[in-house]
Amino acid sequence: DAGVTQSPTHLIKTRGQQVTLRCSPKSGHDTVSWYQQALGQGPQFIFQYYEEEERQRGNFPDRFSGHQFPNYSSELNVNALLLGDSALYLCASSLGPGASYGYTFGSGTRLTVV
Amino acid sequence: AQSVTQPDIHITVSEGASLELRCNYSYGATPYLFWYVQSPGQGLQLLLKYFSGDTLVQGIKGFEAEFKRSQSSFNLRKPSVHWSDAAEYFCAVGATGGNTPLVFGKGTRLSVIA
Repeated sequence: DAGVTQSPTHLIKTRGQQVTLRCSPKSGHDTVSWYQQALGQGPQFIFQYYEEEERQRGNFPDRFSGHQFPNYSSELNVNALLLGDSALYLCASSLGPGASYGYTFGSGTRLTVV
Repeated sequence: AQSVTQPDIHITVSEGASLELRCNYSYGATPYLFWYVQSPGQGLQLLLKYFSGDTLVQGIKGFEAEFKRSQSSFNLRKPSVHWSDAAEYFCAVGATGGNTPLVFGKGTRLSVIA
């Protein structure tokens, strides 16, 4: 039973570029949440996708966008990258959008913006 | 909206000693509560969770946590720490009902010395 899979594991981008991160949820899960974890900080909620729609959004600018596909996998897109976007991006999947069953996390994508 | 405070940024304990990591939450009703552990450069692994019922919950790796409603706390404990427990520990709170995402504390870094 595969857990949450994220790709790529590491990424280096230049300021102003765009990046796409990918996530495949745990088998049986239908909801994907994305978190940003800056160095030395706790995960900060970016947004959540359920039934191919953005259901919840944290305090992140519109440069951060996402998508969920019919197979429940998801993408996180960040445009016009800033140095401050350097972080570990975590994908979490769950059964439904609430917290009832907890979240299963992937190992993350380490994004470095130079 | 819910929030989590982890008062201790860094704790050092000796191998074999007992451990208690503090977590205080803010939420108007009984929340869902979680403890996650993160090894360097890795994603988050669920240690244990509280939904309802018995206020003392058992988790993996010998960890336990106690929900105290009167103190709005959910402290993590382990009777005897192993060197492999050195990691970052995050407490998270979820709202019962509704679809709000998990909110994380800033984490407590645990160091284990011989």
